Amino acid sequence: QVQLQESGPGLLKPSETLSLTCTVSGGSVSTYYWGWIRQPPGKGLEWIGYVLYTGSTNYNPSLRSRVTISIDTSKNQFSLKLSSVTAADTAVYYCARDGGGSSAYHFDYWGQGSLVTVSS
Amino acid sequence: QSALTQPASVSGSPGQSITISCTGTSSDIGDYNFVSWYQQHPGKAPKLIIYDVSNRPSGLSNRFSGSKSGNTASLTISGLQAEDEADYYCSSYTTTSPYVFGTGTKVTVL
Repeated sequence: QVQLQESGPGLLKPSETLSLTCTVSGGSVSTYYWGWIRQPPGKGLEWIGYVLYTGSTNYNPSLRSRVTISIDTSKNQFSLKLSSVTAADTAVYYCARDGGGSSAYHFDYWGQGSLVTVSS
Repeated sequence: QSALTQPASVSGSPGQSITISCTGTSSDIGDYNFVSWYQQHPGKAPKLIIYDVSNRPSGLSNRFSGSKSGNTASLTISGLQAEDEADYYCSSYTTTSPYVFGTGTKVTVL
């Protein structure tokens, strides 16, 4: 059974860089696409971006200028960096796996989520 | 890319069937069969319940079914149960982004 676990600081100040890591167990990051999704408190889901084991990435156009997603196959992890955060970036951040291949564009495994709060 | 449009809330009594709509455009739902649905209980991560418009993940109850007509996708929950009370989100591939989510629907079991 594939399991994902987010880790990283839960409190940031405005203008700082958000950094989260997702550790995958029960499966290899060397297959499939691996994504980040966020959910502001009381609001809906927003796709942030994804990475393939090759390092190839795709980002939400609305966040592209501030987002970097990378992968470390040796550690079976992938990471999210979001620069110049503001209060609007306060959200629960989820990492998830895209089903991939002929059955892509849906997330079949999710982490439990990590709340990141941006406040001065 | 704007979010797909869902009704804010839908309710039903135990045993009844309810349908949640998800309206997009010809640039997403209307042109691709990559529609998925997620169930989210309070404080929990979303759970995939439908993918590729109408496919259920292995082991998922057949009370959940999906369909699509034109630019609108639908999720039907039959034999409504108390445990179905949750938020539901649709998602679709689009011409400009691999994922766009719906606005979300709160399902209440009366």
